[in-house]
Amino acid sequence: DAGVTQSPTHLIKTRGQQVTLRCSPKSGHDTVSWYQQALGQGPQFIFQYYEEEERQRGNFPDRFSGHQFPNYSSELNVNALLLGDSALYLCASSLDAWGTYEQYFGPGTRLTVT
Amino acid sequence: QQPVQSPQAVILREGEDAVINCSSSKALYSVHWYRQKHGEAPVFLMILLKGGEQKGHDKISASFNEKKQQSSLYLTASQLSYSGTYFCGTIKTSYDKVIFGPGTSLSVIP
Repeated sequence: DAGVTQSPTHLIKTRGQQVTLRCSPKSGHDTVSWYQQALGQGPQFIFQYYEEEERQRGNFPDRFSGHQFPNYSSELNVNALLLGDSALYLCASSLDAWGTYEQYFGPGTRLTVT
Repeated sequence: QQPVQSPQAVILREGEDAVINCSSSKALYSVHWYRQKHGEAPVFLMILLKGGEQKGHDKISASFNEKKQQSSLYLTASQLSYSGTYFCGTIKTSYDKVIFGPGTSLSVIP
């Protein structure tokens, strides 16, 4: 059973560019959440997708947007990249009802903005 | 609001015990614990739900004091493999987002 997969593993972009990160959830999971993790910090919640809709959103600007496809995979898009967007971006999948079910994290995409 | 974790870091010798604490100023529905090894993804350890239900790792124990909005993770007879950063995540309602704490770095040495 494949776990959560993310692509690409690493990415280097220039300020002002746009980036798309991809995530495939664990088999059987219908909910995908995205997190940003800066070095030495805990994961910060960006947003969550369920049934192809954004269900929850953290304190991130509109430059961060996402999408969920019918097969439950998801994309995270970041526009107008800033140096401060450099971080590890984690995708996590779960069954519905967060409060009750564990999340399975992917290995992450390391984004460097120069 | 981000939960507070203590201690920030701890170093143990193999076989020693440790307790990691997590506290919130808000009423909580559940507390989640994850461990992240360097360069790897966080891995689920435990969920503690309001009302006393627990789900998780057989070899790890934890508690959740609903009145004080505090949770503690108990690591007994530590092994080298326990090294990593431990994050607690708090949830206010069953459909709310997880807010992760800043983490506790645990190092187990021979």
